[in-house]
Amino acid sequence: IAGITQAPTSQILAAGRRMTLRCTQDMRHNAMYWYRQDLGLGLRLIHYSNTAGTTGKGEVPDGYSVSRANTDDFPLTLASAVPSQTSVYFCASSVESDQPQHFGDGTRLSIL
Amino acid sequence: GENVEQHPSTLSVQEGDSAVIKCTYSDSASNYFPWYKQELGKGPQLIIDIRSNVGEKKDQRIAVTLNKTAKHFSLHITETQPEDSAVYFCAASWAGSQGNLIFGKGTKLSVKP
Repeated sequence: IAGITQAPTSQILAAGRRMTLRCTQDMRHNAMYWYRQDLGLGLRLIHYSNTAGTTGKGEVPDGYSVSRANTDDFPLTLASAVPSQTSVYFCASSVESDQPQHFGDGTRLSIL
Repeated sequence: GENVEQHPSTLSVQEGDSAVIKCTYSDSASNYFPWYKQELGKGPQLIIDIRSNVGEKKDQRIAVTLNKTAKHFSLHITETQPEDSAVYFCAASWAGSQGNLIFGKGTKLSVKP
């Protein structure tokens, strides 16, 4: 089934550890995004990529990094996790950056 | 920057009634307004969207209206059903934003059978 796959679905992590959240899409979409969703704050953009080989910063990029080596994959890395990064993380993609975005089912991350 | 306000935060209706959720935005340059439905444990699902060159768009029981002068847009659900119960989010973006959607804080809709 075509769509976005995120892994893991949930994770508990000790503060200070490094963590990479995986996102893969099989729709050949050029643009991909990472959002975090926090209660009372809605969804906020962390990083985006308009095409393979390029990335950009969103609204809340600090503490996160991304890479886009190919069209299908867009991993999000927390170099040294902190408790304030406890959140639900959603990956999304769109045909181009001005087209509708489609979301994966998220990764629930808890930093202790 | 852009700011999107969404009201109400919770909405309870009887099955068969209509539901309306309203969002206001601050940046007059915003030109794309999607609505998402999110069920528990799932990602947001796009249900309808509208661009600034259109005043209204309809898809079966769902419609979105846009008032550019007042800078607000609304989601209308008619003949609500229990399966419409979910959290609904509005969002806005503008040309050159690189797809940066600014989301409202969500409306929890409950449809009572």
